[in-house]
Amino acid sequence: SAVISQKPSRDICQRGTSLTIQCQVDSQVTMMFWYRQQPGQSLTLIATANQGSEATYESGFVIDKFPISRPNLTFSTLTVSNMSPEDSSIYLCSAEEGGGETQYFGPGTRLLVL
Amino acid sequence: AQSVSQHNHHVILSEAASLELGCNYSYGGTVNLFWYVQYPGQHLQLLLKYFSGDPLVKGIKGFEAEFIKSKFSFNLRKPSVQWSDTAEYFCAANTGRRALTFGSGTRLQVQP
Repeated sequence: SAVISQKPSRDICQRGTSLTIQCQVDSQVTMMFWYRQQPGQSLTLIATANQGSEATYESGFVIDKFPISRPNLTFSTLTVSNMSPEDSSIYLCSAEEGGGETQYFGPGTRLLVL
Repeated sequence: AQSVSQHNHHVILSEAASLELGCNYSYGGTVNLFWYVQYPGQHLQLLLKYFSGDPLVKGIKGFEAEFIKSKFSFNLRKPSVQWSDTAEYFCAANTGRRALTFGSGTRLQVQP
C-alpha cells in the first residue's frame, strides 16, 4: 500500500492568511485527492488532482480559495487561502494505489484558524 | 446523486459482544465499497474492500463485510469486539477510479 505523508501535521493560523499543505507519496500515482473533515463530521471531497492537468473541484469549493498544484506523480499541494475560522478542519490527502482503485490516506493536517 | 448512509452514529458495546454496523449506498452501475477505520489520534486505515466476486469479504483484525446487492448494503461485522476496536468507522464507495463518497461515520465505543 502507498505510504503518504503530509506537512504540516497541524497549524494555528490567523484570519486572512494562507497555508500551503504538502502531500508526498512514496510511489508514483496517477490520481490524488484532497478531502476535508470538519470537526465531528465525515470526509468531504475538495478536489481531484491529476498530474498534468488542472484540478477538478467539487461543488462548493473553488480554485481561488483552494488552489492545488500537482507538479509530478508523487507530490501535491493544497493551499487554503484567505482563511477564516470556518476553514478550521482536518485536511487529508489521499492517493490511489498504482493501477488499482483503492485509496490510501495521509495522516491529515489539523488546521485551526483564529 | 451518489450517496452513502450509515445509520448507527454511536454504538456502545461490551467486550466480546458481536458487532454489526450498517451501510447503505445509492449508486448507479458498478460500485466499489470500502470500510475505513480511524483510531483515536490516528489516520484513516483501510479495513476491507469489495470490488466484485465473493460478496463476503474479510479484512484485517477479524472484520468482515457482506455485500448484498438487492439491499444496496455493505454491513460491517465482527463476532467478538475488543476494547482496542474503539474507533470511528467509515463506509465509503466509488465507481471506478474516482474519489470516494463517505458515510457520516459510526463511533464505536467498546467498554472493558
